[in-house]
Amino acid sequence: EDQVTQSPEALRLQEGESSSLNCSYTVSGLRGLFWYRQDPGKGPEFLFTLYSAGEEKEKERLKATLTKKESFLHITAPKPEDSATYLCAVSSNSGYALNFGKGTSLLVTP
Amino acid sequence: ETGVTQTPRHLVMGMTNKKSLKCEQHLGHNAMYWYKQSAKKPLELMFVYNFKEQTENNSVPSRFSPECPNSSHLFLHLHTLQPEDSALYLCASSQDETGPTNEKLFFGSGTQLSVL
Repeated sequence: EDQVTQSPEALRLQEGESSSLNCSYTVSGLRGLFWYRQDPGKGPEFLFTLYSAGEEKEKERLKATLTKKESFLHITAPKPEDSATYLCAVSSNSGYALNFGKGTSLLVTP
Repeated sequence: ETGVTQTPRHLVMGMTNKKSLKCEQHLGHNAMYWYKQSAKKPLELMFVYNFKEQTENNSVPSRFSPECPNSSHLFLHLHTLQPEDSALYLCASSQDETGPTNEKLFFGSGTQLSVL
């Protein structure tokens, strides 16, 4: 059965303090790995799709990377507006549904 | 209006009530989805529609009944719900040339449902 584990569950950073969020996965045949951002009271917002190990994607202060076992979402010099819950999800050959992790709640303080 | 719109934003209902959640997408997408988000749990896929046809029912209890009259509108009809059905219900859409891939999804803001 496909599994997605995100760590840490919660992360508090000072503005400008760079860090990484982790998404480890176990799937039978990865089709794609996805990162979403969810603000309180809103639905998730698509950030990135990664398809193969070694692939990297960037958007502003965010950079997503992928290996055969995990993905990292690197946040460089975060700002308070980066505070949100970040969700990781995988699609695989074993089933149709996207398997989501429980998310990492990020708080960036001024 | 752009994006995916869900109404109502909040809903409180008793276990014997019947209510409906509405979703409308203004993106011209062909696939629409219902997801359930419970506290401390991952998002769970409930239903998928592609061009109005249901293509996925993820073992959802029959007290949840979806309806997709056209590619832009999606409903979730609720009846005799249980307190454990309290959750955030999210609608999403996507544009996929060869059918719903459940990948790059555009979500609405959700309906926060409380069942008393």
